[in-house]
Amino acid sequence: DTAVSQTPKYLVTQMGNDKSIKCEQNLGHDTMYWYKQDSKKFLKIMFSYNNKELIINETVPNRFSPKSPDKAHLNLHINSLELGDSAVYFCASSPTTTNNSPLHFGNGTRLTVT
Amino acid sequence: AQSVTQLGSHVSVSEGALVLLRCNYSSSVPPYLFWYVQYPNQGLQLLLKYTTGATLVKGINGFEAEFKKSETSFHLTKPSAHMSDAAEYFCAVSDENQGGKLIFGQGTELSVKP
Repeated sequence: DTAVSQTPKYLVTQMGNDKSIKCEQNLGHDTMYWYKQDSKKFLKIMFSYNNKELIINETVPNRFSPKSPDKAHLNLHINSLELGDSAVYFCASSPTTTNNSPLHFGNGTRLTVT
Repeated sequence: AQSVTQLGSHVSVSEGALVLLRCNYSSSVPPYLFWYVQYPNQGLQLLLKYTTGATLVKGINGFEAEFKKSETSFHLTKPSAHMSDAAEYFCAVSDENQGGKLIFGQGTELSVKP
């Protein structure tokens, strides 16, 4: 029933570990995104995929690698986790890449790196 | 480059009072503008959007916003606040030619006092 679902909801791990966050949307949308929300609640885009093709790659460390096996899924793998990676990561989707398409957000994954 | 500024990181109103959340944008071309609401531990939900046409836009939960090009503003209002309106509110602008990427303001936390 959930439109955009992310797993896990919470992720606690130690520095240096590798972790993945999964995202799936059942809205039939072509475009998916990863946003990062920091401790001050500021939201910034990280990546965007359209029909499995990477179209937006903001200035994100190479330790972050998105993967889209199909247009309904967009996963985020993070290598060598650092304290500064602690944040809430939101997956989102939209029907197309046009500027007036609203985004549909998942409920977020709260990542805590200790 | 486009940007969004939300005036006031925290706004407090009494139940039944007018809600006014301020948003100013910067854009070299006609923008698409959005307001999103984030309830605790949840993702962002679209309240309303302005694309073209009527400058007064009505959204969900009794909220509305007016696009004023001369003031580069898109303030969010609600005539009468309800306790359930307490949340974080984000104004966002769409970045042209960037595949649907949204640029968010820093957010305004709305508190509603009984």
